[in-house]
Amino acid sequence: DTGVSQDPRHKITKRGQNVTFRCDPISEHNRLYWYRQTLGQGPEFLTYFQNEAQLEKSRLLSDRFSAERPKGSFSTLEIQRTEQGDSAMYLCASSWPATDTQYFGPGTRLTVL
Amino acid sequence: EDKVVQSPLSLVVHEGDTVTLNCSYEVTNFRSLLWYKQEKKAPTFLFMLTSSGIEKKSGRLSSILDKKELSSILNITATQTGDSAIYLCAGVAAGGTSYGKLTFGQGTILTVHP
Repeated sequence: DTGVSQDPRHKITKRGQNVTFRCDPISEHNRLYWYRQTLGQGPEFLTYFQNEAQLEKSRLLSDRFSAERPKGSFSTLEIQRTEQGDSAMYLCASSWPATDTQYFGPGTRLTVL
Repeated sequence: EDKVVQSPLSLVVHEGDTVTLNCSYEVTNFRSLLWYKQEKKAPTFLFMLTSSGIEKKSGRLSSILDKKELSSILNITATQTGDSAIYLCAGVAAGGTSYGKLTFGQGTILTVHP
């Protein structure tokens, strides 16, 4: 399978714990995006990488959130000191340079108890 | 702040009906509009529209962009139960570090009954 993959698919954690999600984009794609989707809403942009450079972060991304893409391939999204409001689907997408079509992974569904 | 609004928020039809989903956008330095279908999983790409008035078509689905009205429509003819999903539209900004960022609408939930 050469699509975008995400791991884990589901994560249940207790409030206050740290969690980390991984995204592996399509191999030729140099752009990688993270979105968050809550029930009944469209995905909301969180952050975006071109190669290993993080070019934009949403105001939604509080200091508890950090994302990396150390070698310009896979990316990780870490949430520290999780809160119940962090419960959501976290989607990763990737695209070729200079194209607008983004291909999404299956998402990681986070539940914070 | 960029904004995309979809209507209706939900729609219930019977197989064979034709539906029209609407999307309006306010995106700074607008570049393109994308439509996605989401079925209990990640959004899957349907169409990308960049030019006004040119219809994109794929089987029973078609879409068109109106840059003057800052809007787009997605048509589905002869609906089937497999068309039941959330349909998302997203505006894409050009220029600077916002290049490529998708601003999504809240989606239209389409339910097709047999």
